[in-house]
Amino acid sequence: KAGVTQTPRYLIKTRGQQVTLSCSPISGHRSVSWYQQTPGQGLQFLFEYFSETQRNKGNFPGRFSGRQFSNSRSEMNVSTLELGDSALYLCASSPRRSTDTQYFGPGTRLTVL
Amino acid sequence: GENVEQHPSTLSVQEGDSAVIKCTYSDSASNYFPWYKQELGKRPQLIIDIRSNVGEKKDQRIAVTLNKTAKHFSLHITETQPEDSAVYFCAASLDQGSGGGADGLTFGKGTHLIIQP
Repeated sequence: KAGVTQTPRYLIKTRGQQVTLSCSPISGHRSVSWYQQTPGQGLQFLFEYFSETQRNKGNFPGRFSGRQFSNSRSEMNVSTLELGDSALYLCASSPRRSTDTQYFGPGTRLTVL
Repeated sequence: GENVEQHPSTLSVQEGDSAVIKCTYSDSASNYFPWYKQELGKRPQLIIDIRSNVGEKKDQRIAVTLNKTAKHFSLHITETQPEDSAVYFCAASLDQGSGGGADGLTFGKGTHLIIQP
């Protein structure tokens, strides 16, 4: 099976702009979780989607949002970008829920100038 | 919410020696504890996990122990090899069981394991 893929791999944006990141899970996986990774805060849970519904949400402001499509592909959106949003954004897929074995994608490196 | 503390932040051991990384969690309801390995520039990969109904789990040179009473769990790597050099993350979550989902994973800040030749 093909692994988890994420596009784009790198992004450079300026403050105030918005960005959309995409994640394609492993075929058959219905749960997709998103994480933000920074040197200071480490890995932080953003949200989880299952069957096109947000099932869990971490402690991030409303500028961070996401959605999932019927084929389980997921997107996350960050509006009104801030310098502090610069990070590696990782998605992970699992068959049913985040406590099944999660397989991570390579991540999208977002730089906000 | 859950809080996970991980120690040490950096661990240097001689090749062939053992390495131990420790984590504590705050939410006694948490029942799922995975460990991830992230090599430089790579994605995190699950190396072992444990659920609260067992106290220890082994997979070749890797073992994890769980003490529910003290709310801490540890990763043990024996006979360390150069390819064990990486950042290791512990995490905790609540699995709601077959009828439901699970909380998002709460991660520790990571341990940079350095294997000295």
